[in-house]
Amino acid sequence: DTAVSQTPKYLVTQMGNDKSIKCEQNLGHDTMYWYKQDSKKFLKIMFSYNNKELIINETVPNRFSPKSPDKAHLNLHINSLELGDSAVYFCASTRTPEDTEAFFGQGTRLTVV
Amino acid sequence: ILNVEQSPQSLHVQEGDSTNFTCSFPSSNFYALHWYRWETAKSPEALFVMTLNGDEKKKGRISATLNTKEGYSYLYIKGSQPEDSATYLCAFYISYGQNFVFGPGTRLSVLP
Repeated sequence: DTAVSQTPKYLVTQMGNDKSIKCEQNLGHDTMYWYKQDSKKFLKIMFSYNNKELIINETVPNRFSPKSPDKAHLNLHINSLELGDSAVYFCASTRTPEDTEAFFGQGTRLTVV
Repeated sequence: ILNVEQSPQSLHVQEGDSTNFTCSFPSSNFYALHWYRWETAKSPEALFVMTLNGDEKKKGRISATLNTKEGYSYLYIKGSQPEDSATYLCAFYISYGQNFVFGPGTRLSVLP
């Protein structure tokens, strides 16, 4: 069984559209994260949720809105997509916010055309 | 702004060679350092969690050392194999509850 799974794996969409990326973990972890891989291949944190509560919110456009219906899911919704949003987005989870070993999803490659 | 560096950026070695690369991080406020192995189109996979100065960890042919006083960690691969080809990332924590800062990675290619 996949520990952290993201869907879809690939997403191609037009500018201005609204899209969502889903993430689910079956590890029983309390904390989930969204990362964006930037053009230089760095992984940069976007959001972190612990037990459905937002604990980290880095400076990202407010077109990006995370939603955590329960602690096993953290979905990323993006409104009014722009060309610069094209990137690979990774979901991850840790057992607790204090734990430092993260388990990652396979990534979602978003291409905005 | 935390600056985590890795060197070299990329590395090509022959099968059977041993190799090592470096992760440099701020020496103050150290909490933990992770090494991840990341193959293209797969999830980054945790290799080592290092928390104490002088830590040495080993998993098969791969090992890592940690020097928090001078702010560096080495990853060693003994007898490289083609399946070791991947990007090796280090991630640096200054405390729990904060995001970890990833280095840019070292891309290793092992040629058969």
